[in-house]
Amino acid sequence: DAGITQSPRHKVTETGTPVTLRCHQTENHRYMYWYRQDPGHGLRLIHYSYGVKDTDKGEVSDGYSVSRSKTEDFLLTLESATSSQTSVYFCAISDQATGLGEQYFGPGTRLTVT
Amino acid sequence: QQQVKQSPQSLIVQKGGISIINCAYENTAFDYFPWYQQFPGKGPALLIAIRPDVSEKKEGRFTISFNKSAKQFSLHIMDSQPGDSATYFCAAGFPDGLNFGKGTSLLVTP
Repeated sequence: DAGITQSPRHKVTETGTPVTLRCHQTENHRYMYWYRQDPGHGLRLIHYSYGVKDTDKGEVSDGYSVSRSKTEDFLLTLESATSSQTSVYFCAISDQATGLGEQYFGPGTRLTVT
Repeated sequence: QQQVKQSPQSLIVQKGGISIINCAYENTAFDYFPWYQQFPGKGPALLIAIRPDVSEKKEGRFTISFNKSAKQFSLHIMDSQPGDSATYFCAAGFPDGLNFGKGTSLLVTP
C-alpha cells in the first residue's frame, strides 16, 4: 500500500462521540487525501491537503475536519459522529512532482457509528 | 451532479474473454483519467492511467481507449482471468482532484 498506514483499521463508536482517524505515510509525498467509500457511491473526496497546515474541502466535507501538522500525518476528525458517517475511509497520497500525480491508497478504516 | 458515469454496474466474463468497462465524463477541462482495481478488504490500486493527448494506452492485458470528442473512455481487459475478479473504478479530473465512478464488479468465471 505504497508506504501508507491507517489507524485504527476498524472502529465502532456511538452517535455523538468524537472520532479521529489517522493516516501516516513514509513516502514524503506532498498531497494527502481522505475519501469515504459507500456502496453505490464509489469514492468521494472529503478533504485534502497540499502541504503542512494547508488543507481544502472536498465533495462531502460537512461534519468532518482535518489537520496536518507534519508531512507524514493527516488526521480526519468527526466532531460528533452520526450514523450517516458509517463508512469505509481511505487515505491517499500523491507526489505531484512526477507531473502525473498518481494517487496511492491506504488499506482503509472501517467505521461503524451505532 | 455526477461528474463521472460508469457502466455496467456488474459484469460476468468467461476466462479468456474480453472485459469492457465504460465511463463518461462531463467536464471537458479534465486532463487525467486513471483506472483503479480494488479487491475485497483492500484499498484501490492504480491500474493504468491516460492523459487526453493520446487515444489509447496499453499495459500488458489492460488497455484504456479514450474518445475526447465523445467525452468517454473505457477499460479493456484482454484474456480475462479469474484473478482479475475485482471491483474497477474509473476516475476523471486533475491530479490533485479526482471524481470517481461508482464502480464495476467484475467476475471472471473459470
